[in-house]
Amino acid sequence: DSGVTQTPKHLITATGQRVTLRCSPRSGDLSVYWYQQSLDQGLQFLIQYYNGEERAKGNILERFSAQQFPDLHSELNLSSLELGDSALYFCASSAITGNTEAFFGQGTRLTVV
Amino acid sequence: AQKITQTQPGMFVQEKEAVTLDCTYDTSDPSYGLFWYKQPSSGEMIFLIYQGSYDQQNATEGRYSLNFQKARKSANLVISASQLGDSAMYFCAMRENFGNEKLTFGTGTRLTIIP
Repeated sequence: DSGVTQTPKHLITATGQRVTLRCSPRSGDLSVYWYQQSLDQGLQFLIQYYNGEERAKGNILERFSAQQFPDLHSELNLSSLELGDSALYFCASSAITGNTEAFFGQGTRLTVV
Repeated sequence: AQKITQTQPGMFVQEKEAVTLDCTYDTSDPSYGLFWYKQPSSGEMIFLIYQGSYDQQNATEGRYSLNFQKARKSANLVISASQLGDSAMYFCAMRENFGNEKLTFGTGTRLTIIP
């Protein structure tokens, strides 16, 4: 058990809908990362938050947004969903910035139908 | 250009043998970190081992060791005495420039352990 909790584990929704994925980092970890894993794109970095502030942005679509709350949990919001958004979405956390391991949650498998 | 290259899409190894999974990387940043993750069929990403670019010794964690050859820009994962439970996808990843801490992943190697 990595200590990173993601909910829900599975999500099936229709095109055009909006969903929210939730991540609770390991106790004490300030940094949260979101990744998308799809068959055609592999594992792609979406966005990073550190202690409530956005720190780095990757290939995140404008339809997607994220935030980190004062209790350090994070949410990834996906809107106007398309079939191509079907993927495994991972949250990872690390204690501080810099030279340290990042531990992943079990992922949320999103299926858009 | 690919930043992380894993040239073995799939490997079959006999149980109890050692296995080496290849990973080469490309960066001009002198400060970087290299990671290996295991992804079993259940989907979770399990952290295995980490090597920093300034670490003098190769990293080891139990049956996992990292063969780090900095000049050749390679960071191969060695699994000793393989077990059936080692069957999974294995991903090599790199973090460069600690101001931008995203992990860049390779395409992975699917390892199958044969009894």
